[in-house]
Amino acid sequence: DVKVTQSSRYLVKRTGEKVFLECVQDMDHENMFWYRQDPGLGLRLIYFSYDVKMKEKGDIPEGYSVSREKKERFSLILESASTNQTSMYLCASSLGTLTGGYTFGSGTRLTVV
Amino acid sequence: GENVEQHPSTLSVQEGDSAVIKCTYSDSASNYFPWYKQELGKRPQLIIDIRSNVGEKKDQRIAVTLNKTAKHFSLHITETQPEDSAVYFCAASTGYNKLIFGAGTRLAVHP
Repeated sequence: DVKVTQSSRYLVKRTGEKVFLECVQDMDHENMFWYRQDPGLGLRLIYFSYDVKMKEKGDIPEGYSVSREKKERFSLILESASTNQTSMYLCASSLGTLTGGYTFGSGTRLTVV
Repeated sequence: GENVEQHPSTLSVQEGDSAVIKCTYSDSASNYFPWYKQELGKRPQLIIDIRSNVGEKKDQRIAVTLNKTAKHFSLHITETQPEDSAVYFCAASTGYNKLIFGAGTRLAVHP
C-alpha cells in the first residue's frame, strides 16, 4: 500500500561526496516536493516540481539540485555533501489542486561525516 | 514569501482534556490550510484540512477553525487520548500548490 517510496531509510556519506536521494510515487500526482526536517525548524521546502522537467526553488535550495525526468520520479542531489546537510529528508507528492493534501514518503535520514 | 508561525512548541495535557494549537500566516492569498500528525519514527499524515471559503470544519474529536481577517487558524482536539501524542504541523499553501509548514507542536497526553 506504499504510495511514495524513498530509496533509502538511512544513509551515511562523507563530506564532499555527491549524494542522490530518490523518490518514486505511484499515484500519478503532478506535484512532487523535497523537504528537510530538523528539530525546532519544522519542514523546510528545498525544491519542488509541478511537471516533468520542471523545477522550482523552495526556501532553502542552496547546496541542492533536483531532477524530474519522469512524472513518477523526483531526485534530490547534494552536489558536494557537507555536515550541515545532515538531516531527515522527506519527499511528498500531491495532485495539482492539493485535494487530499500531500502524501509523504517515509523519509531518508542522512548523516554526513 | 509565506511564513507560518505555530504555537506552542510543546503541549502537555491530561487524558480527556482538550488541546489547542494555533498558527498564523503572513500571505493573505493563502487558501488551503492542512494539519499533519507525525508519530515518532513515522511519516506525517494529513488529519484535517480547511479551505479559505470555510470558517470551521470538524471530524469526530478534531476541528479546525480559520479566521481569514486575522490570518490565523487553530487545531482543536477534544477528549484527548494517549494515542493523540505526536508532533502536529500546520501548513499554508501559496502558489503552485506548495505548502509552507509551521515549526511543529509536540503534544504529550498523559494517562
